Amino acid sequence: GAVVSQHPSWVICKSGTSVKIECRSLDFQATTMFWYRQFPKQSLMLMATSNEGSKATYEQGVEKDKFLINHASLTLSTLTVTSAHPEDSSFYICSARLAGGLYGTDTQYFGPGTRLTVL
Amino acid sequence: SQQGEEDPQALSIQEGENATMNCSYKTSINNLQWYRQNSGRGLVHLILIRSNEREKHSGRLRVTLDTSKKSSSLLITASRAADTASYFCATPDQTGANNLFFGTGTRLTVIP
Repeated sequence: GAVVSQHPSWVICKSGTSVKIECRSLDFQATTMFWYRQFPKQSLMLMATSNEGSKATYEQGVEKDKFLINHASLTLSTLTVTSAHPEDSSFYICSARLAGGLYGTDTQYFGPGTRLTVL
Repeated sequence: SQQGEEDPQALSIQEGENATMNCSYKTSINNLQWYRQNSGRGLVHLILIRSNEREKHSGRLRVTLDTSKKSSSLLITASRAADTASYFCATPDQTGANNLFFGTGTRLTVIP
């Protein structure tokens, strides 16, 4: 149980186009989902917290107009990279929080990640 | 920043040996978690240790936590080639935002 999927797993796009990445919790409802970014050989950096039915909370330095987040249902959050440029190329990972999950405490379950390459 | 640091950054061992990775963090925590990430893949939750616990075991994994030193260690015993991956510690955001802050990670290579 507690599976999180992401789609697509890999996307290549031209500079200036927008790319949408989906994050789904397959067998549980998640009021909170998180979006992370990971550059090669580096750790994950939290970009934003996505709350179902309300606006996302962005971390300092993350442009909310650049990275649009929509959490329209309890099982789906989307991240849209608008007007993507080569410097946006990265590995994007989402997670979904399961309240009272593993060990009786809130646990995040991670998606497999989406590799974005902007040419 | 709450981001923790791990050492070593990279570790290479022979199959069958034990691997020890250390994590230091900066703020008070309720729990500390360890994750594994295969190259270019998502994260897999390995183990969670609460702040009132000093040691925890799960299969070949042994985790210790020293809250006085703000440090944790992950020991993998009898390593296998399949254990090759990056390992991250993570601590929850104490402001109530439910974020996780990840350490810098240790890249483990187990040589068959």
